[in-house]
Amino acid sequence: EPEVTQTPSHQVTQMGQEVILRCVPISNHLYFYWYRQILGQKVEFLVSFYNNEISEKSEIFDDQFSVERPDGSNFTLKIRSTKLEDSAMYFCASSPGQGVQYEQYFGPGTRLTVT
Amino acid sequence: AQSVTQPDIHITVSEGASLELRCNYSYGATPYLFWYVQSPGQGLQLLLKYFSGDTLVQGIKGFEAEFKRSQSSFNLRKPSVHWSDAAEYFCAVPNNAGNMLTFGGGTRLMVKP
Repeated sequence: EPEVTQTPSHQVTQMGQEVILRCVPISNHLYFYWYRQILGQKVEFLVSFYNNEISEKSEIFDDQFSVERPDGSNFTLKIRSTKLEDSAMYFCASSPGQGVQYEQYFGPGTRLTVT
Repeated sequence: AQSVTQPDIHITVSEGASLELRCNYSYGATPYLFWYVQSPGQGLQLLLKYFSGDTLVQGIKGFEAEFKRSQSSFNLRKPSVHWSDAAEYFCAVPNNAGNMLTFGGGTRLMVKP
């Protein structure tokens, strides 16, 4: 069964550094998402992406963050100048269409630790 | 804005016992509602979803959920829990465009042998 994959599984970085989290969505999916979960807190939506454009973003997704589909298979989340509070599990998801009837398929997550 | 609340942070049940995980929603119209499960080291997996119609929804792994408008609830149930059901369970609601999910705080289920 097709899966969303994410790399790395765990990333440790120093405060102020830039990180890129990578995701490979399911191959025939067109819509992509990033969520994060700070330890002990709820899963929070960051951004949705379609046709090389952001279609929705949350208040969390400020200028520190950016997303990109650099090629036909990868979907990345870049966090510039990381802060301690960026430490979280970051989940990528994809769906074949947009609408409440379409399931979002989640990857296993990347745990980001900012020291 | 739509939101969901999961009142129980942790629940422990004995293997073979029944299970009910609570989810309350806040939404003006009839909501779409989802239950996801997150097993250790795994991503979020959709258990079931409610759109409209029959208020009792069947999902995967023997789970079901019942939509109750009068109680603003969408509780997840399983008649007999297995040790492999130990995981974290999330209730979620999409926005109108379906391009964003809002999650509840999650309920961590532990299963005693």
